[in-house]
Amino acid sequence: EVQLVESGGGLVQPGRSLRLSCAASGFTFDDYAMHWVRQAPGKGLEWVSGISWNSGSTGYADSVKGRFTISRDNAKNSLYLQMNSLRAEDTAFYYCAKGRGSGHYQSLDFDYWGQGTLVTVSS
Amino acid sequence: QSVLTQPPSASGTPGQRVTISCSGSSSNIGSNTVNWYQQLPGTAPKLLIYSNNQRPSGVPDRFSGSKSGTSASLAISGLQSEDEAVYYCAAWDDSLNGSGVFGGGTKLTVL
Repeated sequence: EVQLVESGGGLVQPGRSLRLSCAASGFTFDDYAMHWVRQAPGKGLEWVSGISWNSGSTGYADSVKGRFTISRDNAKNSLYLQMNSLRAEDTAFYYCAKGRGSGHYQSLDFDYWGQGTLVTVSS
Repeated sequence: QSVLTQPPSASGTPGQRVTISCSGSSSNIGSNTVNWYQQLPGTAPKLLIYSNNQRPSGVPDRFSGSKSGTSASLAISGLQSEDEAVYYCAAWDDSLNGSGVFGGGTKLTVL
């Protein structure tokens, strides 16, 4: 059974940093691209970042470019999101999602999602 | 101000057929495949349709997707009460450095 379990969310002050983790199991992690998608409370979905199977390529939404860094450790079946210079508008549930079809991240078909972790940026 | 445009709401009665539209541009829907997600209250999104019209295993054939030019549609036939949810379209956008884009979501109400 595929499982994606996010952790690391919480309350953080504006300008500070936070690192999210996603533990994956039930599939061959290093065969697939992985993504982070966020959803502000009561709002729609926003793609945040994606990473290819071998970390060879990454992509970011304009809203987080230069502040967030996606990474993965295939030996640990884990995905990460380092979030720096956090802003109030980064407040959201952050979902880890598995790319369905291939190891390349340039596709928005996610066949498995985690349960999400809430990041609240407030003073 | 989502890159992909969806109607904010849709409704239908049990047994009816409803469609939800998703409008984009040449850099996203016009050149990449469209995916659809269903999000029930308090839960993570679920992949409903991928590659324009493909259903993952376990998704009923009541759900179907289509694409034409820079627009796409999700159709739900034989509407059921459990279909009440928010539906999102999604696609890759090739503009600038490329990014993923979602529609703003359509809240489907089963009357």
